Amino acid sequence: DSGVTQTPKHLITATGQRVTLRCSPRSGDLSVYWYQQSLDQGLQFLIQYYNGEERAKGNILERFSAQQFPDLHSELNLSSLELGDSALYFCASSRQGAGEQFFGPGTRLTVL
Amino acid sequence: DQQVKQNSPSLSVQEGRISILNCDYTNSMFDYFLWYKKYPAEGPTFLISISSIKDKNEDGRFTVFLNKSAKHLSLHIVPSQPGDSAVYFCAASGVETSYDKVIFGPGTSLSVIP
Repeated sequence: DSGVTQTPKHLITATGQRVTLRCSPRSGDLSVYWYQQSLDQGLQFLIQYYNGEERAKGNILERFSAQQFPDLHSELNLSSLELGDSALYFCASSRQGAGEQFFGPGTRLTVL
Repeated sequence: DQQVKQNSPSLSVQEGRISILNCDYTNSMFDYFLWYKKYPAEGPTFLISISSIKDKNEDGRFTVFLNKSAKHLSLHIVPSQPGDSAVYFCAASGVETSYDKVIFGPGTSLSVIP
């Protein structure tokens, strides 16, 4: 158990809809990262927050947004969903930027 | 453009033998490298890392080698055990993004045959 929790575990929705994925980092970790893993693909870095502020951005679509709240949990919002958004979404946390990240179990999103 | 490449999607090794997983990177600004292991239905877990000031780092059965001039690193597992069967991701980051942005390779699926 990494100490990082993600909810929900599975999510099935329709095209055009909006969903919110939630992540609680390990106790004491200030950085939260979001990754997308599509079928047979590696982990694509989406975005990182550090203590409530956006720190780094990857290939995150404009339809996606994220935030980190004062209690350090984070949410990833995906809107106007398309079939191609079906993927595993992982959240990870770390004490600071460099070094090891601890990953949650992921949320599997299926868009029908 | 894939900045971190793992050209072998899969690898099969006999139990007790050495497993060698390879990784190449294109961005010369990367100076910190990590390996993660992932089992099905779980998130990746950190295995071992190496900074560009070293060319080797060892942790038990796992050793990572870095060849900066070739922009190549490899993970050696000796001896390989059936529990090592998993997907292995190579990852890289650099000071230009304060190490915040970690780029992962596509992964290599390792099967250790008993």
